[in-house]
Amino acid sequence: QQQVKQSPQSLIVQKGGISIINCAYENTAFDYFPWYQQFPGKGPALLIAIRPDVSEKKEGRFTISFNKSAKQFSLHIMDSQPGDSATYFCAARSGANNLFFGTGTRLTVIP
Amino acid sequence: EAEVAQSPRYKITEKSQAVAFWCDPISGHATLYWYRQILGQGPELLVQFQDESVVDDSQLPKDRFSAERLKGVDSTLKIQPAELGDSAMYLCASSPTGVLYEQYFGPGTRLTVT
Repeated sequence: QQQVKQSPQSLIVQKGGISIINCAYENTAFDYFPWYQQFPGKGPALLIAIRPDVSEKKEGRFTISFNKSAKQFSLHIMDSQPGDSATYFCAARSGANNLFFGTGTRLTVIP
Repeated sequence: EAEVAQSPRYKITEKSQAVAFWCDPISGHATLYWYRQILGQGPELLVQFQDESVVDDSQLPKDRFSAERLKGVDSTLKIQPAELGDSAMYLCASSPTGVLYEQYFGPGTRLTVT
């Protein structure tokens, strides 16, 4: 059973556009929601993270929006660049720092 | 910048053979994780260590997989015997003490079982 559901599976955005990736969860015990960026042949790298007591967090061009009542959160990439082309994973933490990952979104930013 | 080291980066083995992966976490990180990432999916936790002790190995297929972190520093993940379905990326991650949420991943070992 997938603990964190992620969509879309793939996304193509024009340079300068906004990329939006959505995730949903059911387990209300989750207390930390990170996003990871993964380039081919590399391990995932922490991009940005949010706690459920905050509705939005922004770091540069990356913003997490969090809707606790709907149990949904999303990643917005503003002014998307070709260098942002990668696979993005949302995740949720439960218990002794166990992370449950979504299935990933392959983002392609075309010049 | 300190990184999690893993070796080998790639491994091809025949089914029924034994295979081992090595991980050296970021210096000072007490918590170490092994994940398996099947192509096109997100990582799934196999085992978590706090120092040399196993915290969670509920998802580790113990009939063929084993993991150890004898001195609480580097760690080895072993598969014996390997099966075709074990083909995946094996990722190691570590967390700094007191900041449990941030997990730093290594580059992974790509295993292909033929």
